[in-house]
Amino acid sequence: DVKVTQSSRYLVKRTGEKVFLECVQDMDHENMFWYRQDPGLGLRLIYFSYDVKMKEKGDIPEGYSVSREKKERFSLILESASTNQTSMYLCASSRDREFGYTFGSGTRLTVV
Amino acid sequence: AQTVTQSQPEMSVQEAETVTLSCTYDTSESDYYLFWYKQPPSRQMILVIRQEAYKQQNATENRFSVNFQKAAKSFSLKISDSQLGDAAMYFCAYRSFLQGAQKLVFGQGTRLTINP
Repeated sequence: DVKVTQSSRYLVKRTGEKVFLECVQDMDHENMFWYRQDPGLGLRLIYFSYDVKMKEKGDIPEGYSVSREKKERFSLILESASTNQTSMYLCASSRDREFGYTFGSGTRLTVV
Repeated sequence: AQTVTQSQPEMSVQEAETVTLSCTYDTSESDYYLFWYKQPPSRQMILVIRQEAYKQQNATENRFSVNFQKAAKSFSLKISDSQLGDAAMYFCAYRSFLQGAQKLVFGQGTRLTINP
């Protein structure tokens, strides 16, 4: 069964900490994505990557960075966590634009 | 830029009845893909159904079907014979047909409750 795995289901961090959210896919997909999900706002794209070491900003990249050193792994980095980054973070991967995404099960991050 | 709007934050339906979730979108493109995703309490997003804009025939997957009105830019999801397991957040999403355009644009979501 193909999978997108997010390393943590729940995470609590302090303001100012550097936070790493990890995502691994086993489908050999080229494209990987990080979204945040907030009530009433749906899913908003933070960053995506279409190849190793390649990254593109999404709609809300401020305060975030990403790393893709290997095809299967796409990391989201909060350089200095703030309370307004408390959210659900969803990772996804995709083979091609005619297909939808395969999602991970999400990381609920709380910044205190 | 493309936008997707789901105007119903919450819907409820009696078990075994039919419910329709609304979605409209805005685009200047003629070819694109549309999707409905389901997110149950487990949080795992699951693809429910997919529609290619160049296909006139509405997509169907078992109890799930869509009403795709290209001119009206409308893409509603109909769930027939609703079951308790259908309770979830439902998201409508748009994806461009353009080469290199990979991202999905999501609506705000509709929370569906099934009443036994």
